[in-house]
This record gives sequence, C-alpha cells and structure tokens, in this order.
Amino acid sequence: EPEVTQTPSHQVTQMGQEVILRCVPISNHLYFYWYRQILGQKVEFLVSFYNNEISEKSEIFDDQFSVERPDGSNFTLKIRSTKLEDSAMYFCASSESGLSGNTIYFGEGSWLTVV
Amino acid sequence: AQSVTQLGSHVSVSEGALVLLRCNYSSSVPPYLFWYVQYPNQGLQLLLKYTSAATLVKGINGFEAEFKKSETSFHLTKPSAHMSDAAEYFCAVTPEGAAGNKLTFGGGTRVLVKP
Repeated sequence: EPEVTQTPSHQVTQMGQEVILRCVPISNHLYFYWYRQILGQKVEFLVSFYNNEISEKSEIFDDQFSVERPDGSNFTLKIRSTKLEDSAMYFCASSESGLSGNTIYFGEGSWLTVV
Repeated sequence: AQSVTQLGSHVSVSEGALVLLRCNYSSSVPPYLFWYVQYPNQGLQLLLKYTSAATLVKGINGFEAEFKKSETSFHLTKPSAHMSDAAEYFCAVTPEGAAGNKLTFGGGTRVLVKP
C-alpha cells in the first residue's frame, strides 16, 4: 500500500541551527501537509501546500518556517533558526484532493529535539 | 471555530472486554469526523471516517463509531479488545464543505490492554 515516508526519523539539533525535514508524499496525491505534536499536547496543523504554493497556514507557521517541493517527489519543511520550543514530532501528510473529508495519509513522523 | 474533546487521556481495558473511546466535537457547520490510531513508533493511521453517509461507520481491525448529531459525539468502540489494540487513538474533525482539508485533533486517548 502506498505510504508517506519521512526522513530523518529522529534529529537532535542545537538551538539556532537550521533543520530540514524531508517527506515523500504518496505519488498521485496533490495536497501536502505538515502537522506537529509537542510532547503531551495535541497534534496541530502547521501548513498545507498545493500546486507549489502554501494554501493555508496556522499562526504557528511563522517566518521561521518554510516549505518547498524541490522536485517531483520530495516535500520539505525548513526551520530556519530552531528554538527549544520547536522540539516536537513533525508529521508529513498528503491527500488526493483538498476537499474537506478527503482522507489525509500521514507519515511516521520525524522527532526533532532542540538542545 | 471547531474543537474536539476526547474524554480520558488513558484507558485501561482487559483483553476481550469492550473498548469505548469518547469523542465530542463542536463545529458551527456539519463536520466530517475521523478516528486515527498511532501504534508505538508508527505514524497516524486512519481507522475510520464519517462523511455524512451512514451514521454507524465501520473501520479496520473491528472498530466502529457512531455519529450522533444530537449529542455532538463520535465515540469509538470495539466489542472485544485484543492485545494488539494497545495504541494511542485520536479523534479529528474537519468542517463539511470547507475549502481546505485541515484536521483539528483531540488530545488523544492512550489504550492499555491487560491480559
């Protein structure tokens, strides 16, 4: 069964460093997402992406964050200058369409620890 | 604004006993509702979803959920728990007809299955 894959599974970085989390969405999907879950808190929406543009973003997704689809298969989340509070599990996801109710498929997550 | 409340962050059941996980939502428009499961060291996997067809929805692994509009609930059940059901379960909502497929998650319920 097709799946969303993410790398790395776990990354430790120093505060202030740049981090890039990578994702390969399901191949025929057109909408891509990043969610995150801080330990002990809810899974939160960060951003959705369609047709090489951000279609929606949350207030969490400030100027420190950016997303990119550098080629036909990868989808990346960059955090420019990491802070301690960026420590979280980051989930990439994709769906066939952006219509409400369309199933969103999640990857296994990338656990980011900022020290 | 929509929100999801899962009653009980932890639930302990005996193997063979009923599993009941509670989810209540608030939404200003009719919602689509989802249950996702996260097994240890894995990503979020869709168990089932309600998209305004039948109010009783059957999912994978013997789980089902019933949409009750009058109670604004979407509780998840399984008649007989198995050891493999030990996982964290997340209820999520997205408003019907909305442009943009953005999930709002509940806080999750961790299920422990005792032999």
